Amino acid sequence: GNSVTQMEGPVTLSEEAFLTINCTYTATGYPSLFWYVQYPGEGLQLLLKATKADDKGSNKGFEATYRKETTSFHLEKGSVQVSDSAVYFCALGSGSARQLTFGSGTQLTVLP
Amino acid sequence: GAGVSQSPSNKVTEKGKDVELRCDPISGHTALYWYRQSLGQGLEFLIYFQGNSAPDKSGLPSDRFSAERTGGSVSTLTIQRTQQEDSAVYLCASSLARGDYGYTFGSGTRLTVV
Repeated sequence: GNSVTQMEGPVTLSEEAFLTINCTYTATGYPSLFWYVQYPGEGLQLLLKATKADDKGSNKGFEATYRKETTSFHLEKGSVQVSDSAVYFCALGSGSARQLTFGSGTQLTVLP
Repeated sequence: GAGVSQSPSNKVTEKGKDVELRCDPISGHTALYWYRQSLGQGLEFLIYFQGNSAPDKSGLPSDRFSAERTGGSVSTLTIQRTQQEDSAVYLCASSLARGDYGYTFGSGTRLTVV
């Protein structure tokens, strides 16, 4: 079956530091890949997505590239801000119902 | 409404009692999903609705769990004879159409079984 493995947290960084959150997946076929973000007290929000190999998703300074050869979709940001503090979820989408399979989430805290 | 609305936001119940969790999707969204987020774990798919039909119930963990959707809108997730392991955040999401990954999630219902 499908599965997503992402970097264990929590991750604590200083403002303006470089961020990488690793994500690898196992899936049959050609899934779509996503990063969702959950800010405190809010619902999950789609951060970025990529639907085929070598696609790069980007939003709000975050980027992730769909790497089929390494089955990875690592999230990166060059300079994090305090407002980026949240829980980040990697997910893959497949199947006729388009349900998502999520990783366990990575808590990011950015200190001023 | 403007977003996906879930109620209640928090629910504490005694073991063995039944609970109902409600989801109001975005108006016009035909696809509706329920997920469960347990402490320290990722989100677990429970059930998917297309209109009022549930073509995929594969994620429901036991026959104590059931869900329905009426009028192609509001959905209710019912847990009978709650157990402590049912404690989790239950999230609802809707999307405009089947095959559309443009989910909008609600803020969830935090269920605590004591």
